[in-house]
Amino acid sequence: KQEVTQIPAALSVPEGENLVLNCSFTDSAIYNLQWFRQDPGKGLTSLLLIQSSQREQTSGRLNASLDKSSGRSTLYIAASQPGDSATYLCAVLSGGSYIPTFGRGTSLIVHP
Amino acid sequence: EAEVAQSPRYKITEKSQAVAFWCDPISGHATLYWYRQILGQGPELLVQFQDESVVDDSQLPKDRFSAERLKGVDSTLKIQPAELGDSAMYLCASSSPFWAATGELFFGEGSRLTVL
Repeated sequence: KQEVTQIPAALSVPEGENLVLNCSFTDSAIYNLQWFRQDPGKGLTSLLLIQSSQREQTSGRLNASLDKSSGRSTLYIAASQPGDSATYLCAVLSGGSYIPTFGRGTSLIVHP
Repeated sequence: EAEVAQSPRYKITEKSQAVAFWCDPISGHATLYWYRQILGQGPELLVQFQDESVVDDSQLPKDRFSAERLKGVDSTLKIQPAELGDSAMYLCASSSPFWAATGELFFGEGSRLTVL
């Protein structure tokens, strides 16, 4: 059974810092990995999708990398802003079950 | 822009009452998921549909929960009777079949359930 862990669970930083959020998974036989943002009381918004054959994806100030062999993905946020405050979740689509499995998320606060 | 529609956004009910949630996926998305998210935790899969067929419902508490997608388009998740521990956000997501596309998940805004 796929297990997904996100570290740290919470993070509070001043505006302007570059951040790294971590996601690890136990079964490397994945189809894709997706990063989401969730604002309080809202649904999940897709940020980046990395296919198993890819090493990284970029969108604006966000960059996500994937290392299947070590079971890890990182989400890099450059020049953080207060508007980046939210919970960030990663989901792994396992190659065997094809069921998306989520981590518990990293709660990010960027203060001015 | 196409989106996943869910209703109601908020539902407050008393324990032992029946509750129903509705989801309309992005047009053309054959795969539909219902997730439950307890505050502070990640979403947990309740049921996965491929068209009108259930692919996985191993984590669905079948004594009180039911889900259907009769025509392979929109879906309904029902709880009867509701219990205090069912208070959570119920999220619906859809995707194109992973073998035909990227398998990217798209979520609705969710339905927040409070059981009193």
